Amino acid sequence: QIQLVQSGPELKKPGETVKISCKASGYTFTNYGMNWVKQAPGKGLKWMGWINTYTGEPTYADDFKGRFAFSLETSASTAYLQINNLKNEDTATYFCARGDYYGRGFFDYWGQGTTLTVSS
Amino acid sequence: DIQMTQSPSSLSASLGGKVTITCKASQDINKYIAWYQHKPGKGPRLLIHYTSTLQPGIPSRFSGSGSGRDYSFSISNLEPEDIATYYCLQYDNLYTFGGGTKLEIK
Repeated sequence: QIQLVQSGPELKKPGETVKISCKASGYTFTNYGMNWVKQAPGKGLKWMGWINTYTGEPTYADDFKGRFAFSLETSASTAYLQINNLKNEDTATYFCARGDYYGRGFFDYWGQGTTLTVSS
Repeated sequence: DIQMTQSPSSLSASLGGKVTITCKASQDINKYIAWYQHKPGKGPRLLIHYTSTLQPGIPSRFSGSGSGRDYSFSISNLEPEDIATYYCLQYDNLYTFGGGTKLEIK
């Protein structure tokens, strides 16, 4: 069965870096794009961008350009979200979600979420 | 950017009853809307895509309709496991989620 399994909760200080993983199984990893979605505490869902898992090309939503980086380890069917120079407002749950190859379709499978807390 | 206005933000209904949630887009999204159910501690679950296409395994109690800028999502014969927050997502031009609707059972 198709699964996206994310890494565990993270507690970081402002200015540090975090790298969250999303391991896919049950399908051909490079046939589908991977999206990242943020949910701040008490807030709704916000699309951060996606990465083409075949070419490795990332696309970032406007609010997530600069400190955010998507990457892949294709041999391990794993996608990563790295956030540099962490700020308090990065405190949130981050989800990976499978999309279509072209980055245009709906998200059909989601990871369970990774909770990031940024606090001094 | 396309904005999605989802309403209501919360609602309460009785078991066996019916609820309807709406999403209004800031422009025509050509029926490219999906609906998700989200429970705490889990990833969202896809219920419907392309306005009204039910994902396999999703009960027919869930339904969607609409066109242009206006879309709706309904749940009939409410069951206790329907307690969740529901989101719409437009995927016509990049991606935008609605603000969410928290469903409670009376």
